[in-house]
Amino acid sequence: DTAVSQTPKYLVTQMGNDKSIKCEQNLGHDTMYWYKQDSKKFLKIMFSYNNKELIINETVPNRFSPKSPDKAHLNLHINSLELGDSAVYFCASSQVVLAGGPGSYNEQFFGPGTRLTVL
Amino acid sequence: GNSVTQMEGPVTLSEEAFLTINCTYTATGYPSLFWYVQYPGEGLQLLLKATKADDKGSNKGFEATYRKETTSFHLEKGSVQVSDSAVYFCALSGGNQGAQKLVFGQGTRLTINP
Repeated sequence: DTAVSQTPKYLVTQMGNDKSIKCEQNLGHDTMYWYKQDSKKFLKIMFSYNNKELIINETVPNRFSPKSPDKAHLNLHINSLELGDSAVYFCASSQVVLAGGPGSYNEQFFGPGTRLTVL
Repeated sequence: GNSVTQMEGPVTLSEEAFLTINCTYTATGYPSLFWYVQYPGEGLQLLLKATKADDKGSNKGFEATYRKETTSFHLEKGSVQVSDSAVYFCALSGGNQGAQKLVFGQGTRLTINP
């Protein structure tokens, strides 16, 4: 009964290749996210989709392209992989409650992560 | 913009010691505050949350109180166990930047020795 799942768990590839990571959530949430965790464990948001629409796009190279075929899936495609792309990528989902204002919150549920190693 | 600052780690304690991990934030409006935990080799799990000032979040013996006057959300546990060894992240969402974006602190690695 995995709530947020990602595939693959590990991905080892050569520089210059193109790869994809898939994410699926079965929680019925309307918002999904991609985060990157570097070697020092720092977590930074990359993208967020709400009902298949891009709502957050942080300063990420355009080699990274998210795709949301439906609100339960958010995939991440990376072109021309570079050494600096090596990291753990986490998918997350949430149902935003009362966006903005007192009491609004955004409890995010995370997938197990995909460790990407670029050689 | 919103930001979160945690105490630098790593933190190493003996079993049954008292734990405090400091977290302060900068935000306008009404942010919600969270503590997430990441066990070795796993994804993040929500540990506790507080959605308004003076709320206390608690779970598994951990507690944190949302203090608007000091813009803090320190994590505490009275008696830690070896199984609490993990990386802990303070985070916030909401405020005037909208509820969607979750901003994390840098994480604090906690090691508990038997």
